[in-house]
Amino acid sequence: EVVMTQSPGTLSVSPGGGATLSCRASQGVGSSLAWYQQKPGQAPRLLIHGAYLRATDIPSRFRGGGSGTAFTLTITSLQSDDFALYFCQQYSEWPFTFGPGTKVDI
Amino acid sequence: EVQLSESGGGLVQPGGSLRLSCVASGFTFTNYAMNWVRQAPGKGLEWVSSISASGGNKYYADSVKGRFTISRDNSKSTLYLQMTSLRGEDMAVYYCARMGSSWKDYFDLWGLGTLVTVSS
Repeated sequence: EVVMTQSPGTLSVSPGGGATLSCRASQGVGSSLAWYQQKPGQAPRLLIHGAYLRATDIPSRFRGGGSGTAFTLTITSLQSDDFALYFCQQYSEWPFTFGPGTKVDI
Repeated sequence: EVQLSESGGGLVQPGGSLRLSCVASGFTFTNYAMNWVRQAPGKGLEWVSSISASGGNKYYADSVKGRFTISRDNSKSTLYLQMTSLRGEDMAVYYCARMGSSWKDYFDLWGLGTLVTVSS
């Protein structure tokens, strides 16, 4: 099983600032990496797939990068709506696995 | 509107059974593989099971293998998860999620989830 880790666990950012979230896979997953955003009481929403491809209607301030075992999600000009939990997921092989999440708060 | 709507959650005793349903609308259900993902209270996301568009291929997490069964009725645009021998660690919000455009892909559409509570 591919184990996904994320850092930091919590990231405190000011509105208008930037944030870089890290995700690592225990073995190479190529570019089969997705990022999801989840707000309290809501379902996850797809942000990024293929490591760097933005999903439909996702603003350009969300940028994914990396390949293999190391990935990043960079959020620029953070807006109030961006304060949430972010998960990475590998879909290179079953079982699909998620990271534990990074909480971005004020 | 493109959406997924889960139902069937509730309170069940340990060892009991429950069947979850997920109705798809606004897209051609038969074109997509589907998944169940769960989230225990205050915890992260755990993939549970996947089924191909035709229903011919299925995968399960080791934690549910032999106890849960995924299925679909393409004539009703509905995905199911039959859960048996339920345990306390199965308590979670269960989401159905649509696979992207190919088998073994990201999850591009999620339902709002249904809560399963396992308690005596």
